[in-house]
Amino acid sequence: QKEVEQDPGPLSVPEGAIVSLNCTYSNSAFQYFMWYRQYSRKGPELLMYTYSSGNKEDGRFTAQVDKSSKYISLFIRDSQPSDSATYLCATPRRAGYALNFGKGTSLLVTP
Amino acid sequence: DTGVSQDPRHKITKRGQNVTFRCDPISEHNRLYWYRQTLGQGPEFLTYFQNEAQLEKSRLLSDRFSAERPKGSFSTLEIQRTEQGDSAMYLCASTPPGTDNSPLHFGNGTRLTVT
Repeated sequence: QKEVEQDPGPLSVPEGAIVSLNCTYSNSAFQYFMWYRQYSRKGPELLMYTYSSGNKEDGRFTAQVDKSSKYISLFIRDSQPSDSATYLCATPRRAGYALNFGKGTSLLVTP
Repeated sequence: DTGVSQDPRHKITKRGQNVTFRCDPISEHNRLYWYRQTLGQGPEFLTYFQNEAQLEKSRLLSDRFSAERPKGSFSTLEIQRTEQGDSAMYLCASTPPGTDNSPLHFGNGTRLTVT
């Protein structure tokens, strides 16, 4: 079982829709969870960083962690065409400081 | 802060040739990471440096791969006797000293195509 599982999509939504992106993870000891956004031909950029359970909101983006079910979510409100990208969830590796990434979900927001 | 810089952006090589990529991390970032990303996949961890010390290597890093960070600043990743399966985006990331869970700051990668 991979440490982080993510549905690769693709996901296509109309502009203005609410988008829900999800990941599951395997290690209940994980405390930190991150969402990265990656545009085509670019490196990933940090979007949201959460610690432990609960919600964190930043503008149109909300990250949610449910540790009881080992489930992490990213919600995008009022989606825009500029949100079209691949979204990667990430958790720390068991040893060392690097991150394990999910496969990424490809999102297309159509005008 | 000019961000993580990687060079070249794109490299095309023939099978069997050696290639070397360079990464310049954000200044004063003491931790540096190399990842590989293939189409439709998330980044996969290759190796990690703290200053000049290589502290962890993934099983993905075969004997044909070697990474160095001789002065604790820039790093190089060399692939010897390239194979078509090495075609991927090679990403470098860095983090500042401090907590164990600082977010990674990525460069825009070097895209390797092995023909």
